[in-house]
Amino acid sequence: KAGVTQTPRYLIKTRGQQVTLSCSPISGHRSVSWYQQTPGQGLQFLFEYFSETQRNKGNFPGRFSGRQFSNSRSEMNVSTLELGDSALYLCASSFSNTEAFFGQGTRLTVV
Amino acid sequence: GQNIDQPTEMTATEGAIVQINCTYQTSGFNGLFWYQQHAGEAPTFLSYNVLDGLEEKGRFSSFLSRSKGYSYLLLKELQMKDSASYLCAVRDHGSSYKLIFGSGTRLLVRP
Repeated sequence: KAGVTQTPRYLIKTRGQQVTLSCSPISGHRSVSWYQQTPGQGLQFLFEYFSETQRNKGNFPGRFSGRQFSNSRSEMNVSTLELGDSALYLCASSFSNTEAFFGQGTRLTVV
Repeated sequence: GQNIDQPTEMTATEGAIVQINCTYQTSGFNGLFWYQQHAGEAPTFLSYNVLDGLEEKGRFSSFLSRSKGYSYLLLKELQMKDSASYLCAVRDHGSSYKLIFGSGTRLLVRP
C-alpha cells in the first residue's frame, strides 16, 4: 500500500511570499500531523488534523496554518515567509494510537 | 515543561552492540517511540513502548521505565547501514496525535 506522499519535494521561495504544501496520508488514516525539522531545533510539532478538525496546535505563529479535506488529504500554508522558515516540513499519518508514518518531506528554502 | 534528552552523537563498531539512552520530562505521557532517520530521508518507525519493560524486534530492542522517565534503544549486531540519526519521541496525553521529539542521536558505525 502506498505510503505518505508529500508534494512538492523541494521549493524555493522569496521572503514575503506564501507557500502551500500538500500531504496525502496512507489510505484509511484519518490523523495527519505536520512537523518542522531544522538542524538547530530538531523536529517540532506544528499541528494535527483528524476528520477535518484541528485537534492540536504547536507553538508557531499564526502565519502557519493548515487544513484537512474530506478525503484526509491535508495542506499547510505559510504566509509572509521569513528566512527562518527554511526547513524540512514533514507530514505524518496514523490510523491508531501506535506508530505514525512519515512522508519524505518538503524541503523549503526561503531566500 | 517538555524536555527530552538524548546524546548528540555516538560511535560504535560494526558487529557490536550500542545502547542509545533517552530521558524525558513531559506534562503528559501516552507512549514513547523510536524512529530512525537517514540523512535526507523520512523518519521510519522502529519501536513503541507504552508499558514498562522491554520490547524486542529483531536486532532492535527498546526499554521503558515510566517512573524514571527513561528509555533506551538497543541495537545489536551493528551494520554499516545502521549509521543514521535515532529520534526518541513521547506522545503527548489526550486524544490528539502529537509527538514531542528529542534532538536525535547521530550514530556512526565504523568498520
